[in-house]
Amino acid sequence: DAKTTQPPSMDCAEGRAANLPCNHSTISGNEYVYWYRQIHSQGPQYIIHGLKNNETNEMASLIITEDRKSSTLILPHATLRDTAVYYCFSYNQGGKLIFGQGTELSVKP
Amino acid sequence: DVKVTQSSRYLVKRTGEKVFLECVQDMDHENMFWYRQDPGLGLRLIYFSYDVKMKEKGDIPEGYSVSREKKERFSLILESASTNQTSMYLCATAGVSLLETQYFGPGTRLLVL
Repeated sequence: DAKTTQPPSMDCAEGRAANLPCNHSTISGNEYVYWYRQIHSQGPQYIIHGLKNNETNEMASLIITEDRKSSTLILPHATLRDTAVYYCFSYNQGGKLIFGQGTELSVKP
Repeated sequence: DVKVTQSSRYLVKRTGEKVFLECVQDMDHENMFWYRQDPGLGLRLIYFSYDVKMKEKGDIPEGYSVSREKKERFSLILESASTNQTSMYLCATAGVSLLETQYFGPGTRLLVL
């Protein structure tokens, strides 16, 4: 099973890009990398996922290294409402989420 | 949009009580999951179901049971609540494959006294 590691906390200035790293050095070739975020006292919210190629949607961009051992979630223009805990994870073959500790992102004015 | 609802946002129960947590989804998804979330431990899978009346144990099934009589509804049952089951309980749903994106409900914060 792929395990993920993330820094416990990060700060970002409002309006700047927030770059959240994740290491998943044991990920296997067919395991997607998923990113969710959780605002205090709410359920996790899906952001984006990817396998090999970089991905972009209306919320964020996902950059996956060529060896797939790490990825970076980019919030291009962080707002105060982006303050949350961000989780990077993958599934194992049985569909089990392998959720790590996450990164607590604080966006400051 | 996928909508996943949970029966209660906050619940207070006494030790030994039988507790029912219910989750309902409106997207005709095959797969439903129950997790608990505790500080420092992240999300841990309790049970999941890939079809009506089908269930599989997750990582921490002890002290819990589940029921899925209808496709849209997945219930988590604490047969005899204990204080160490005080936690945030999250329901999630996913489409045909277990590897599809999971969508979470708002969570139920359970306190067992």
